[in-house]
Amino acid sequence: SQELEQSPQSLIVQEGKNLTINCTSSKTLYGLYWYKQKYGEGLIFLMMLQKGGEEKSHEKITAKLDEKKQQSSLHITASQPSHAGIYLCGADNSGNTPLVFGKGTRLSVIA
Amino acid sequence: SQTIHQWPATLVQPVGSPLSLECTVEGTSNPNLYWYRQAAGRGLQLLFYSVGIGQISSEVPQNLSASRPQDRQFILSSKKLLLSDSGFYLCAWSVPQGLAEKLFFGSGTQLSVL
Repeated sequence: SQELEQSPQSLIVQEGKNLTINCTSSKTLYGLYWYKQKYGEGLIFLMMLQKGGEEKSHEKITAKLDEKKQQSSLHITASQPSHAGIYLCGADNSGNTPLVFGKGTRLSVIA
Repeated sequence: SQTIHQWPATLVQPVGSPLSLECTVEGTSNPNLYWYRQAAGRGLQLLFYSVGIGQISSEVPQNLSASRPQDRQFILSSKKLLLSDSGFYLCAWSVPQGLAEKLFFGSGTQLSVL
């Protein structure tokens, strides 16, 4: 079955610093989804990547999917307190199965 | 526009008591519906999904069950709760084009079994 490993598990950065979160799959990815969750709330969709080498950006968040489609990274530039939360990657490896998720990366941004 | 409602937001139940969590979606027809659970150290775990009324697929064997009595209603139930059922339960929906689609999540139910 599909397994996703996220690293790091938690991250504390100073406001204004850049950071990267990684998501590695045990199988080739059909689609990779990034979500953000504030504590005690539902997940908010950030981005979806499907093609090897694809890169997408939204405001100060950039996500990439490697050429082999087994790893994705999420990069935040000049972090702000509003970026704090749990970032989860979700994936499908067949094109028609429900998404499975990694355990998440808890991000704290301190002033 | 589409919206998803999930309730209650918080629930404290004794061990052995029944459970019923409800989720409804508005603004779309024949959505795919999902129940996930988020527990400490275990990440987001898929429990059930449904592609239509009365059609339920279970991903994890346990004392929970799900039902879809109406097109846009998804219910998570248990006859007798266990301590291990504690967690944050999330309902989600996706467009009816396939299961591997972008998910829209509800606001979640924090269940504490004591």
